[in-house]
Amino acid sequence: KAGVTQTPRYLIKTRGQQVTLSCSPISGHRSVSWYQQTPGQGLQFLFEYFSETQRNKGNFPGRFSGRQFSNSRSEMNVSTLELGDSALYLCASSLEPNTDTQYFGPGTRLTVL
Amino acid sequence: GENVEQHPSTLSVQEGDSAVIKCTYSDSASNYFPWYKQELGKRPQLIIDIRSNVGEKKDQRIAVTLNKTAKHFSLHITETQPEDSAVYFCAASRSSGGGADGLTFGKGTHLIIQP
Repeated sequence: KAGVTQTPRYLIKTRGQQVTLSCSPISGHRSVSWYQQTPGQGLQFLFEYFSETQRNKGNFPGRFSGRQFSNSRSEMNVSTLELGDSALYLCASSLEPNTDTQYFGPGTRLTVL
Repeated sequence: GENVEQHPSTLSVQEGDSAVIKCTYSDSASNYFPWYKQELGKRPQLIIDIRSNVGEKKDQRIAVTLNKTAKHFSLHITETQPEDSAVYFCAASRSSGGGADGLTFGKGTHLIIQP
């Protein structure tokens, strides 16, 4: 079974621009979570989607948003990019929100210049 | 919200020795505690997890212990090998699978296995 995939793998943007990242969960998995990883703050929860609904959101500004499609694929969007948004963005999928094990994708490395 | 503290930040052990990484959590409602291993440039991979109704779980050279009263859990790696070198993250959440609250991660431990 194919693992979690994320596209693109690398992205370079400038301040003020917006970006959309994509995540395809493991086949059959219906829950997708997003995390931001930086050297200073570590791994931080952004939000989680199930059945096309955002169930919860971490402590991030409204510039960070996401959505989930009927096939469980998810996208996250960051608007008005800031230098501090440079990070590795990881998505993780699980069968359902309250079942075991989140499987992570390889991440998208976003650099904001 | 939940807060997870992880120690040490760096751990260097001789090949063949044991390594122990400790985490404490603040939310007594947390009931799921996974450990992830992340090699340089790669994705975090689950190596073991434990739920609050279990005190200890073992998988070959890896074991995790949980003390709900003290709100701390530990990762034990025995007979360490060079391929164990990586960054290890502990995490906690209120529902297994990370659910609505998401996983709250510790800052990570860089484990170095000295030959």
